Amino acid sequence: DAKTTQPNSMESNEEEPVHLPCNHSTISGTDYIHWYRQLPSQGPEYVIHGLTSNVNNRMASLAIAEDRKSSTLILHRATLRDAAVYYCILQNQAGTALIFGKGTTLSVSS
Amino acid sequence: NAGVTQTPKFRILKIGQSMTLQCAQDMNHNYMYWYRQDPGMGLKLIYYSVGAGITDKGEVPNGYNVSRSTTEDFPLRLELAAPSQTSVYFCASSFPSTGTEAFFGQGTRLTVV
Repeated sequence: DAKTTQPNSMESNEEEPVHLPCNHSTISGTDYIHWYRQLPSQGPEYVIHGLTSNVNNRMASLAIAEDRKSSTLILHRATLRDAAVYYCILQNQAGTALIFGKGTTLSVSS
Repeated sequence: NAGVTQTPKFRILKIGQSMTLQCAQDMNHNYMYWYRQDPGMGLKLIYYSVGAGITDKGEVPNGYNVSRSTTEDFPLRLELAAPSQTSVYFCASSFPSTGTEAFFGQGTRLTVV
């Protein structure tokens, strides 16, 4: 499985935008980029995913580099509820199980 | 629509005891997964299933067994519990297409003493 690299932790202030980076230099052409987050004492929840084009949904935006070797999850206005561990995961075309890394712990201050 | 339901939520086992962690989903998902999460760590895949009657090992399968007799249920069996199996266990399910969302249960917190 292709690997991802994320910073261990990031900090943000409430109501400010947050850009969470992910490097995946060994990504293959058919790998999907997924983002999940895990709030304290809860199971992971889906945030967003994409293949080549940038994606937007009600929770966040996903910006994918043109060469696909990196991506950025964008939270447009961080809230205290967004404090969580964010995981960037690659899923290959075979649709195999998601393999989690250590993720980025996001802290949000008021 | 309850999503993914795990039972029990908490359990304390003695070393050597056995138990089954239950997982059920009502979304007609073909794929189901079991993960464990040790304190401060990411999730590790134990076993997964792509449909009834089909299971396969993940990253950390030793000490566990699974079965998948129906689409809805995917129980995880611990035989001869050991302290190293103290962890939070998460079950998840999804449709088989690549790039679809996986849904996770709320977890079972297991302590082996």
